[in-house]
Amino acid sequence: QQQVKQSPQSLIVQKGGISIINCAYENTAFDYFPWYQQFPGKGPALLIAIRPDVSEKKEGRFTISFNKSAKQFSLHIMDSQPGDSATYFCAASSPGGTSYGKLTFGQGTILTVHP
Amino acid sequence: DADVTQTPRNRITKTGKRIMLECSQTKGHDRMYWYRQDPGLGLRLIYYSFDVKDINKGEISDGYSVSRQAQAKFSLSLESAIPNQTALYFCATSDPLKRTGGTGELFFGEGSRLTVL
Repeated sequence: QQQVKQSPQSLIVQKGGISIINCAYENTAFDYFPWYQQFPGKGPALLIAIRPDVSEKKEGRFTISFNKSAKQFSLHIMDSQPGDSATYFCAASSPGGTSYGKLTFGQGTILTVHP
Repeated sequence: DADVTQTPRNRITKTGKRIMLECSQTKGHDRMYWYRQDPGLGLRLIYYSFDVKDINKGEISDGYSVSRQAQAKFSLSLESAIPNQTALYFCATSDPLKRTGGTGELFFGEGSRLTVL
């Protein structure tokens, strides 16, 4: 079963526009929600992460919005640039005597930003 | 040089063959992982190891085995490859969030693309 559901599967945005990717989770024990960015031919790399004690986290043009009651979180990319074109994965993990490395990933979103 | 190195980067094999994918890291992390990436399915955890003597199954371990030869080396084996194991495989490492003050961030290699005919 897919514990983290991500949408849309693909997204096309014009340069300067806002890209929004959404994720929903089922496991209420999840308490760490990172986003990973993957360029073609490369492994994913951590972009930004949030914990449920805050509703929003912003790093430059990238913002995570978190809604604990709805069990949803989203990534917003402001002023999207062609260099942002990549695959984005949301993920989640829970504690339990271990670290946050054992992640459950969403299905991924292929973002294309047109010049 | 890459901190997490995977070999081979590309491999084409036939059904029934034994395949080993190797991973080595220079980050000094105790924790290592093997993930599989398929279009539309994201990344799924195959096996993970929190130290040399600790190996655990992930959500899709059937048909796979692993070996942690040293802190820096973690290999994934397909004993008898089948076509639905055709995928992009990633090795990753992490530093425990609480134990050593690490961030819990996963550091991925560049992937090994495996095609089983």
